[in-house]
Amino acid sequence: AQSVAQPEDQVNVAEGNPLTVKCTYSVSGNPYLFWYVQYPNRGLQFLLKYITGDNLVKGSYGFEAEFNKSQTSFHLKKPSALVSDSALYFCAVRDGTGNQFYFGTGTSLTVIP
Amino acid sequence: DTEVTQTPKHLVMGMTNKKSLKCEQHMGHRAMYWYKQKAKKPPELMFVYSYEKLSINESVPSRFSPECPNSSLLNLHLHALQPEDSALYLCASSPTPIPGNSPLHFGNGTRLTVT
Repeated sequence: AQSVAQPEDQVNVAEGNPLTVKCTYSVSGNPYLFWYVQYPNRGLQFLLKYITGDNLVKGSYGFEAEFNKSQTSFHLKKPSALVSDSALYFCAVRDGTGNQFYFGTGTSLTVIP
Repeated sequence: DTEVTQTPKHLVMGMTNKKSLKCEQHMGHRAMYWYKQKAKKPPELMFVYSYEKLSINESVPSRFSPECPNSSLLNLHLHALQPEDSALYLCASSPTPIPGNSPLHFGNGTRLTVT
């Protein structure tokens, strides 16, 4: 069975500091991994994905994520956090054969001015 | 702004009402999805349409009835809902159902309140 875990419900970081939002996954076969961000009363916005290739993936708004196969992790990172990055972040995995996404429980990020 | 448009943005309905949620995309995507999301929780899959045919129904109660009139439109018909059905209903699309490397494109949702 496919699954995604986000071990932190809440992450607080000071503006200008680096941020990390953690995600681990369990999937049979090759994983297709995604990060989404959700602002209040909005839908989910796609940030970045890992399919194959370079383990460091760059996405929208200065975000990047590092795929680590041995640790089955796909952590979201940003070198310098902005107050406007405060939102709910979801990690998701999709298996290569199906059309279902499996979402993590979400991490609420607060960037403190 | 999102390329998936959902209407209405807000809907309040009584338990005996019949209403419909609408979703439209013009990206040529051939897979469309309905999700239900409670506050601060992940989206829960309800239905998937692939090439205008229902391919996944996640054991959703019959008071929710999806419809895909054409490749650009997706409706969700609501009847005799319960207060616990109050949630944000999200529509999404992806270029093709398979392979699985395409991201989902979400609309901004319909905030549904059942009184």
